[in-house]
Amino acid sequence: DAGVIQSPRHEVTEMGQEVTLRCKPISGHNSLFWYRQTMMRGLELLIYFNNNVPIDDSGMPEDRFSAKMPNASFSTLKIQPSEPRDSAVYFCASSWVSGGIGTQYFGPGTRLLVL
Amino acid sequence: SQQGEEDPQALSIQEGENATMNCSYKTSINNLQWYRQNSGRGLVHLILIRSNEREKHSGRLRVTLDTSKKSSSLLITASRAADTASYFCATDDHSGNTGKLIFGQGTTLQVKP
Repeated sequence: DAGVIQSPRHEVTEMGQEVTLRCKPISGHNSLFWYRQTMMRGLELLIYFNNNVPIDDSGMPEDRFSAKMPNASFSTLKIQPSEPRDSAVYFCASSWVSGGIGTQYFGPGTRLLVL
Repeated sequence: SQQGEEDPQALSIQEGENATMNCSYKTSINNLQWYRQNSGRGLVHLILIRSNEREKHSGRLRVTLDTSKKSSSLLITASRAADTASYFCATDDHSGNTGKLIFGQGTTLQVKP
């Protein structure tokens, strides 16, 4: 398996623009997680899905952020409109969760810079 | 919310020495996991220890768990320059049974050749 795939790897955009980050989880995994990492705040869980259903989006900073998982092979994280404070590395991770336990496999991340 | 807090925040050692990192958390857990992150990369899972386990080994890694003290330690023996990375502990959501993990701030390890 190729592991978790994220695209784009790097994104530079201007404030106010829409940004869409994409993730392809490992085939067969039933859970998907979106994280944001910054020096100041560390690794923050934004939202996670179980069997394509959003379970907890309490980590989503505000209404400008939205995430979808239309099928088991694809998820998107959208920021609209983007702001400079959204600049961070965004990670997607997938896992096979059984009995509430699962190890997470992280993608390489998307480095977002909002000017 | 429960969260692992690593100690120390940064650690610098010579190649060949052992490195010990500690993690404390606040509430009951089902399992605790350690991850590694090389600069500019995603996190990589190292080891998982369940709440009914006290110690686990994987190669040069040794993890202990003390649920009475709500703490865990990661020991890397005979360190190598390639072990230079950030190390994170992560605890699960004991009540949620969802696989959700809460990550600590991490320990940055530098191993000097």
